[in-house]
Amino acid sequence: GAVVSQHPSRVICKSGTSVKIECRSLDFQATTMFWYRQFPKQSLMLMATSNEGSKATYEQGVEKDKFLINHASLTLSTLTVTSAHPEDSSFYICSAREGKEAETQYFGPGTRLLVL
Amino acid sequence: QKEVEQNSGPLSVPEGAIASLNCTYSDRGSQSFFWYRQYSGKSPELIMFIYSNGDKEDGRFTAQLNKASQYVSLLIRDSQPSDSATYLCAVNPLSGANSKLTFGKGITLSVRP
Repeated sequence: GAVVSQHPSRVICKSGTSVKIECRSLDFQATTMFWYRQFPKQSLMLMATSNEGSKATYEQGVEKDKFLINHASLTLSTLTVTSAHPEDSSFYICSAREGKEAETQYFGPGTRLLVL
Repeated sequence: QKEVEQNSGPLSVPEGAIASLNCTYSDRGSQSFFWYRQYSGKSPELIMFIYSNGDKEDGRFTAQLNKASQYVSLLIRDSQPSDSATYLCAVNPLSGANSKLTFGKGITLSVRP
């Protein structure tokens, strides 16, 4: 149980285009999902908290107009990187919080974005 | 600023040995504690969580929590080369809708065959 999927797993795009990443909780409902970014050999950086039916909460320094988050259902959150630039190239990972004991977060497999 | 500290590592142990990974946290009111394993190029996967003082065992893994000392550890018995990865300690300082994890920087474990 507690499986989280992400799509796509890898994307290469041209500078200036927008990229949408989907995060799904497959076997549980997640009122809260999280989006992280990880650069090579660095730790996870929380970008935003996505709450079903309400606006996402962004961490300090993360541009909400650059990284659009939509959490339209209890099993799906999307992150859209708008007008992507090479510096946005990174490993984007979502997690979904299960509402049981300890409120455990389960991570998706991640999306590797390369902006040319 | 809520902080989670892990030894910088890397940690190297021979196959079959016990690997001991340590983590301290600054927020005394923290509710729950997690250990994740991350292989190179992959996303983190949950090993186990603990929220009560004492030990919690799951197979070769034992998590130990001491809230008075603000310390949580992970022991890996009979270490295998496949255990070689980065281990992330994460702390949940709150419960409820506003909770989110604070991660340590991780420690890289290498198990020598």
